[in-house]
Amino acid sequence: EPQLLESGGDLVQPGGSLRLSCVGSGFTFRDYTMNWVREAPGKGLEWVSSIYAGESSTYYADSVKGRFTVTRDNAGNTVYLHMDSLRAEDMAKYYCVREVRGLSGSWFDPWGQGTVVTVSS
Amino acid sequence: DIQVTQSPSSLSASVGDRVSITCRASQSIGTYLNWYQKKSGKAPKLLIYSASRLQTGVPSRFRGSGSETTFTLTISSLQLEDFATYYCQQTYSLPPLTFGGGTHVEIK
Repeated sequence: EPQLLESGGDLVQPGGSLRLSCVGSGFTFRDYTMNWVREAPGKGLEWVSSIYAGESSTYYADSVKGRFTVTRDNAGNTVYLHMDSLRAEDMAKYYCVREVRGLSGSWFDPWGQGTVVTVSS
Repeated sequence: DIQVTQSPSSLSASVGDRVSITCRASQSIGTYLNWYQKKSGKAPKLLIYSASRLQTGVPSRFRGSGSETTFTLTISSLQLEDFATYYCQQTYSLPPLTFGGGTHVEIK
């Protein structure tokens, strides 16, 4: 059964940095695009970033572009989200998600349990 | 960017009710539309993918329909465990991979 486990969430001051990690198991990690999605308190789901399987192309939401960097280590079945210049509005629970691609669409499954980032002085 | 507009933002219903949630995309996205269930304190759960395909293990009372710009999630007979927030998501193009604003389904 495919599983994802995030870690790295913490309390950080505005302007600070943090690195989130997500380890995948139960599937061939290198074959899948991986995503980060966040849920701020009282808000809905927001896609943050994607890193593709093969060429490792990366994509970002406008709200984090230039501040967040997504990377992956296929040998270690791990995807990272490095977050710089953190703002209060980045405070959220961050989910790591695998993207599955089919003939008529792609979808997010499974989701990790999430890791909480708190930005406060 | 492709926008997805979900309605209603909240609804009250009773156990046994039939419930429908709509998601409209700002441009045609074929069947690149998914539905997720989110309960407080838990990770989102995939219910429907590619507009109408039921994820393994999801009860058959959940049904997805639609294509191009208009999509619907229908719960045929609401159960106690279905009270949650539901999100649609388009994966037709990125960035961004947009989610709808969510529909909070609460007990009447």
